[in-house]
Amino acid sequence: GAGVSQSPSNKVTEKGKDVELRCDPISGHTALYWYRQSLGQGLEFLIYFQGNSAPDKSGLPSDRFSAERTGGSVSTLTIQRTQQEDSAVYLCASSKAPGVAGTGELFFGEGSRLTVL
Amino acid sequence: GDSVTQMEGPVTLSEEAFLTINCTYTATGYPSLFWYVQYPGEGLQLLLKATKADDKGSNKGFEATYRKETTSFHLEKGSVQVSDSAVYFCALSSTGANSKLTFGKGITLSVRP
Repeated sequence: GAGVSQSPSNKVTEKGKDVELRCDPISGHTALYWYRQSLGQGLEFLIYFQGNSAPDKSGLPSDRFSAERTGGSVSTLTIQRTQQEDSAVYLCASSKAPGVAGTGELFFGEGSRLTVL
Repeated sequence: GDSVTQMEGPVTLSEEAFLTINCTYTATGYPSLFWYVQYPGEGLQLLLKATKADDKGSNKGFEATYRKETTSFHLEKGSVQVSDSAVYFCALSSTGANSKLTFGKGITLSVRP
């Protein structure tokens, strides 16, 4: 597709349930990032993929969060046993080159809004 | 670690007013600096960037100068339009192959006709 595609755009779930969020990056972009946008907290880095490997997972808040990327393309962020504090907009971004030093050009999707009741 | 601090918002201005949004940073080494913008209903997009000290980034009438001595990257526009209403994020990137963007909290700008 022309841009970064994320699904679902909205997800409401009950506390304790597992959720999966999907990101389809721009074709040919090798780098993929997940961020979380919470009210008043800005954008919080979660994980970075280069190809299928994740050299930086330092932002994952707990072991309930995991992510994978297959075929160097689609990525899935999984949150197990969701809690109310997980409610946020989860943003995915991709870029052509490894890392963002210099170019800074990340292409963002519109995000998946997660609400945990 | 790296961090970005933006002025508190929201900001409401009348059309054609002058805009300044403050941004300061803390980083090791020589980061690159960016402003991203999120228009209503759209994803974040790069507005402008500067990769070394004293560089000025500019786009769509917006400007920001990389000031190493004050560790700042303030965003300015001489005459805002209603279409500039959006959320603005200051960000920095560390150096290295696995660098990532570190964002500030963002500030909402509303421009009244």
